[in-house]
Amino acid sequence: QITLKEAGPPLVKPTQTLTLTCTFSGFSLWSSGVGVGWIRQPPGKALEWLALLYWDDETRYSPSLKNRLTFTKDASKDQVFLTITNVAPVDTATYYCAHQVVEPLRDAFDVWGPGILVTVSS
Amino acid sequence: SFELTQAPSVSVSPGQTARITCDGVLADQYAYWYQQKAGQAPILVIYRDTERPSGIPERFSGSRPGTTVMLTIAGVQAEDEADYFCQSADSSGSYLFGPGTMVTVL
Repeated sequence: QITLKEAGPPLVKPTQTLTLTCTFSGFSLWSSGVGVGWIRQPPGKALEWLALLYWDDETRYSPSLKNRLTFTKDASKDQVFLTITNVAPVDTATYYCAHQVVEPLRDAFDVWGPGILVTVSS
Repeated sequence: SFELTQAPSVSVSPGQTARITCDGVLADQYAYWYQQKAGQAPILVIYRDTERPSGIPERFSGSRPGTTVMLTIAGVQAEDEADYFCQSADSSGSYLFGPGTMVTVL
C-alpha cells in the first residue's frame, strides 16, 4: 500500500524559506518510472502543480515558480524535500505530495498525502 | 502557456447523470480527473482520458467528445458531492489543473 505524508512548519514569516518534507512508503524512488510531485491549494481555491521529481533525478518545476523552488530527495530514507524561497502571504496553502508512475498512469497522481496547511504571516 | 476551463458548478438530482467538462486540453495530451471532498485530499477517478483506477465505481467514466474532455457520473449518489478538477500537461512537461467544478447533489 502506497502512503505519503507531508511535514513542515504550520507558520512561516514573509521572506523566509519554507522547507517541506514528504515521507513515503510502499514504493521506491529508485524504481524506474516512479515520481513524486508537489501540488498546493490555497484556501477555497484550485489545485496548483509545483514540481515533480523522477526516479532518474529528472526534475520539473512550474514555470511561474521555478526560480523559487528546489526539489531534492533522499531515496535511502524514502523522503523528498521541497524548498520555497522568499515566501509571501499568497503562498498560504495546503501543500500535498503525491505519487506518480509513468506506466500505466502517465501524468496522473494516483495517491496523495493528507496535505499540510502552511500559513505565511508576520 | 495554456489554461483549462471548467464550469464553476453543476447541480444534479440523485440517480441522474452529471456531466462535467474541461476545455483547453491539448490534442496530444491526456486528461485526468480528481474528486475532492471537503477537507480531504484529491482522489484520482479517471486517467488517460477514459481509464478508471481500481476501486473507482463504474458510474464514473471519462470521454473526449471533440476538443472537450468530459467526466460523466451516471446515477449520481449523495456521496458524489464534491469538487472535481481536471488536469493535463503541455509539451514541456508542465502540469496544469482546471479551476474545478463543484457538484451539488440536490
